[in-house]
Amino acid sequence: NAGVTQTPKFRILKIGQSMTLQCTQDMNHNYMYWYRQDPGMGLKLIYYSVGAGITDKGEVPNGYNVSRSTTEDFPLRLELAAPSQTSVYFCASSDGQGNQPQHFGDGTRLSIL
Amino acid sequence: QKEVEQNSGPLSVPEGAIASLNCTYSDRGSQSFFWYRQYSGKSPELIMFIYSNGDKEDGRFTAQLNKASQYVSLLIRDSQPSDSATYLCAVNQAGTALIFGKGTTLSVSS
Repeated sequence: NAGVTQTPKFRILKIGQSMTLQCTQDMNHNYMYWYRQDPGMGLKLIYYSVGAGITDKGEVPNGYNVSRSTTEDFPLRLELAAPSQTSVYFCASSDGQGNQPQHFGDGTRLSIL
Repeated sequence: QKEVEQNSGPLSVPEGAIASLNCTYSDRGSQSFFWYRQYSGKSPELIMFIYSNGDKEDGRFTAQLNKASQYVSLLIRDSQPSDSATYLCAVNQAGTALIFGKGTTLSVSS
């Protein structure tokens, strides 16, 4: 039971570089989410998807892009990395709409220097 | 703006005591309520969810919901040092996104 798998676990980027955070789930969940968590703060929604080919912005989407070509995968793309994007990123999935529990991956700790 | 408020703590309780964690929310239309536990450096882990007014029990955990007061709480009975973590309250209206509180840090001393 892999659940939600995120790669990489850690990454250091230089300002202006770009990268893709990978997320895959094996629970056949339609709903997937990307959050960021800054120290001492709750989780902020970046983007979400309600199914393959459908994505929408969350609370803090600026500087990020997503795609959802399959049910299993929901990668998050950072273009032109900035120090403000230093954070821990969590991917989650759920079986249904927001009234269903979300299951989280282990997270990616990203530092922009 | 929809908000979920939690006391950041730390909430300190001795081993074996009852820990009471509280959460208030601003959106009266909220329908689903979740408690997640997050150990330092780890991802959130679902502890409880509740949809209806009243109490819901699962082992040592009890979630309490009062929609009239816009208040949800989590009780942990017989607290153990392994319960020491940050507890996140999350609330959902009739949509997709969860709104998370900043979390309450619980410390259980042996």
